[in-house]
Amino acid sequence: GENVEQHPSTLSVQEGDSAVIKCTYSDSASNYFPWYKQELGKRPQLIIDIRSNVGEKKDQRIAVTLNKTAKHFSLHITETQPEDSAVYFCAAVYNFNAGGTSYGKLTFGQGTILTVHP
Amino acid sequence: NAGVTQTPKFQVLKTGQSMTLQCAQDMNHEYMSWYRQDPGMGLRLIHYSVGAGITDQGEVPNGYNVSRSTTEDFPLRLLSAAPSQTSVYFCASRAEIKAEQYFGPGTRLTVT
Repeated sequence: GENVEQHPSTLSVQEGDSAVIKCTYSDSASNYFPWYKQELGKRPQLIIDIRSNVGEKKDQRIAVTLNKTAKHFSLHITETQPEDSAVYFCAAVYNFNAGGTSYGKLTFGQGTILTVHP
Repeated sequence: NAGVTQTPKFQVLKTGQSMTLQCAQDMNHEYMSWYRQDPGMGLRLIHYSVGAGITDQGEVPNGYNVSRSTTEDFPLRLLSAAPSQTSVYFCASRAEIKAEQYFGPGTRLTVT
């Protein structure tokens, strides 16, 4: 089955610095890689995603890069702000077929606690 | 749209009791999942469903049952609660394989 490893488990940066979180996945059939942000006491919410036919995607201060050969992808946050402090989860979807139907299973990494100090 | 709703928000059980956590979505999503999140831990998949009548186990299914009789509802049953099941439970849904997954607000369960 799919396995997603996420590093680091905790990350502390100064406001304005950049933050990078890395994930590796085990199944080369994975083709969709979302990132979720979870603020304290709240539900996870999607912040950005990338599909396997794209190497990089940006949305304002956040970007995600994908290296299919090495089977890893990364989240980059530039010009960090205190409100970026949260837990970030990477995830990978891999497709499998059962009974002639294609399904997709979403597996999460272990999470990274990001703290941005003012 | 209400999105993904879960009830109850909080629950305290005694060891050995059973209960059902309710989950509903009004977005006509085929995929629904249940996760548990222990303090300081990630999201671990309990069970998931790819459509009405189709369910499968995730990575931590023991002690839990699910069924999917309608597209909208995906209840999670705890058969005989144990202290190890103390956790926050999230239900989630998405429309298709490569689509945003929406999470419910969570149910905080304590088993004493």
